[in-house]
Amino acid sequence: ETGVTQTPRHLVMGMTNKKSLKCEQHLGHNAMYWYKQSAKKPLELMFVYNFKEQTENNSVPSRFSPECPNSSHLFLHLHTLQPEDSALYLCASSPLTTRILNNEQFFGPGTRLTVL
Amino acid sequence: DQQVKQNSPSLSVQEGRISILNCDYTNSMFDYFLWYKKYPAEGPTFLISISSIKDKNEDGRFTVFLNKSAKHLSLHIVPSQPGDSAVYFCAAATGTASKLTFGTGTRLQVTL
Repeated sequence: ETGVTQTPRHLVMGMTNKKSLKCEQHLGHNAMYWYKQSAKKPLELMFVYNFKEQTENNSVPSRFSPECPNSSHLFLHLHTLQPEDSALYLCASSPLTTRILNNEQFFGPGTRLTVL
Repeated sequence: DQQVKQNSPSLSVQEGRISILNCDYTNSMFDYFLWYKKYPAEGPTFLISISSIKDKNEDGRFTVFLNKSAKHLSLHIVPSQPGDSAVYFCAAATGTASKLTFGTGTRLQVTL
């Protein structure tokens, strides 16, 4: 596997379910990101991890719980979600986060989440 | 309030012609701008970027122009090819931060 992979690619869950999204990067990067893309809205940054430490939480509700056990893996644990949380969830990685300049982010294909 | 705006949700261009995608921003602190391209069922891929110290950056068929006074940037693709059909996202950042602020995207369709 190369680049940034995400599983599952599609997920349908009820409001009372607990599920997790997984992201893995094979690029040797030190920073990982979760983004949310809702219909007709721009990509919204949710979380940033730098060397496994969370460095940004963009006011995300606590029903979304990220986990970064190492620099290659990132999880997003979901519980008691709402229908309005249905969206495309994208993971990205980059060499480091200290400067965006020349620090492009590489995205995974995303998980299409539907909350019933 | 959207700080990065792509006011054209879609654009159709004939093969061989020039495609011009536009982006406006409101935050004067932004000093680094990027364009990403997204095919269906794939994540966005980086295309080209420009720092605010420049007003033009060129990479093959792709050129990005930055007009700081107007807070406007544009992506020119010439000549356009059918494989360029995708959604194009404009993004902006301050050079010392890790956060990218994205626009809503413009869907480009290059017709034969």
